Amino acid sequence: EPEVTQTPSHQVTQMGQEVILRCVPISNHLYFYWYRQILGQKVEFLVSFYNNEISEKSEIFDDQFSVERPDGSNFTLKIRSTKLEDSAMYFCARGQAWETQYFGPGTRLLVL
Amino acid sequence: DQQVKQNSPSLSVQEGRISILNCDYTNSMFDYFLWYKKYPAEGPTFLISISSIKDKNEDGRFTVFLNKSAKHLSLHIVPSQPGDSAVYFCAAIRRGGSEKLVFGKGTKLTVNP
Repeated sequence: EPEVTQTPSHQVTQMGQEVILRCVPISNHLYFYWYRQILGQKVEFLVSFYNNEISEKSEIFDDQFSVERPDGSNFTLKIRSTKLEDSAMYFCARGQAWETQYFGPGTRLLVL
Repeated sequence: DQQVKQNSPSLSVQEGRISILNCDYTNSMFDYFLWYKKYPAEGPTFLISISSIKDKNEDGRFTVFLNKSAKHLSLHIVPSQPGDSAVYFCAAIRRGGSEKLVFGKGTKLTVNP
């Protein structure tokens, strides 16, 4: 099964800066998800996105986070003002609702 | 809130032997379960899944067993190979409910040659 690709693979930023993480679908999928994994912790759900709208979000996904599909292709996660605790691996996934989700390789975000 | 638990952080087995990875869940509404394998600095790779209407699903060397009454599932790898060395995550979802996968903390499997 083709998954998704993600860019950048690594990102280092200063606290308070904005970051944009990108997810590039291999083909035309409708359902996308963002998860993160803080070092040593579980993979945690952030948000699901269907047909260009947020369909579900977790309590982690506060006003500092946003998602969009600006050009109908790339799917982005923006963190407006990064905090130290945002340092994590961020994974994009594609799938169908309530079915298997296929993950990308992730972006390692380090906030200094 | 540990709805999905993997109580063994690590497991070491010899090449050619069986690896058994365990997972427990507390939410009886979960009805679809998945196992993912993860190498360092990579994303989780889907391995195998099972619906709650089944108690066993097999795919090559990988078999997942589901015991709904015990809220327990296990992944068997036979025979284990050194390339199987990775972190294995159990995940669960409630179909028709929340879309999010709920993950366990993972078990690091080491297969020794």
